[in-house]
Amino acid sequence: LAKTTQPISMDSYEGQEVNITCSHNNIATNDYITWYQQFPSQGPRFIIQGYKTKVTNEVASLFIPADRKSSTLSLPRVSLSDTAVYYCLVGDERSSASKIIFGSGTRLSIRP
Amino acid sequence: DSGVTQTPKHLITATGQRVTLRCSPRSGDLSVYWYQQSLDQGLQFLIQYYNGEERAKGNILERFSAQQFPDLHSELNLSSLELGDSALYFCASSAGTTSGELFFGEGSRLTVL
Repeated sequence: LAKTTQPISMDSYEGQEVNITCSHNNIATNDYITWYQQFPSQGPRFIIQGYKTKVTNEVASLFIPADRKSSTLSLPRVSLSDTAVYYCLVGDERSSASKIIFGSGTRLSIRP
Repeated sequence: DSGVTQTPKHLITATGQRVTLRCSPRSGDLSVYWYQQSLDQGLQFLIQYYNGEERAKGNILERFSAQQFPDLHSELNLSSLELGDSALYFCASSAGTTSGELFFGEGSRLTVL
């Protein structure tokens, strides 16, 4: 069961690029890395998923080094509306949900 | 809008009471998951159903039970409520038996007084 470690909180300013790093030292060969975003009093929302190297979509980029023991979620030019909790999850897509741990996430605060 | 519908959005009740939370998954999704989120516990997986059958179980108390009906909607029953059961309860759905991408509802906020 791959455990993840990410910063409890981060602060940034509007227009900046924000990088949130997640450590997952015991990631397994079949595990994917998935990031969710959660606004206050709302359910988490899928942002991005990757296996290795770099993945980019309209919301974020995900950078995964060759050893896959960490990953970095990059949010370009953040705005106030990006203030949320970001969760890094590691697991095999075939895994039971009971094995996918959300953890405490990173509370990102964006200031004007 | 994730397509997952949860009712009620808010619920206030007393200790010892019983409540039922309801979830309608996204159209076509066969799996329903229940999560509990309280201030000091983060998002905790409770239970998963797939096409009417229990698929995986997490940290669900014996006082709690769930089921998924033939029309795929699910209900989470919480009984003998305690103050510590106050939390946000989220339902999520996915297409298959394993987690993949989960689509979450907006949650049901339960307050036990």
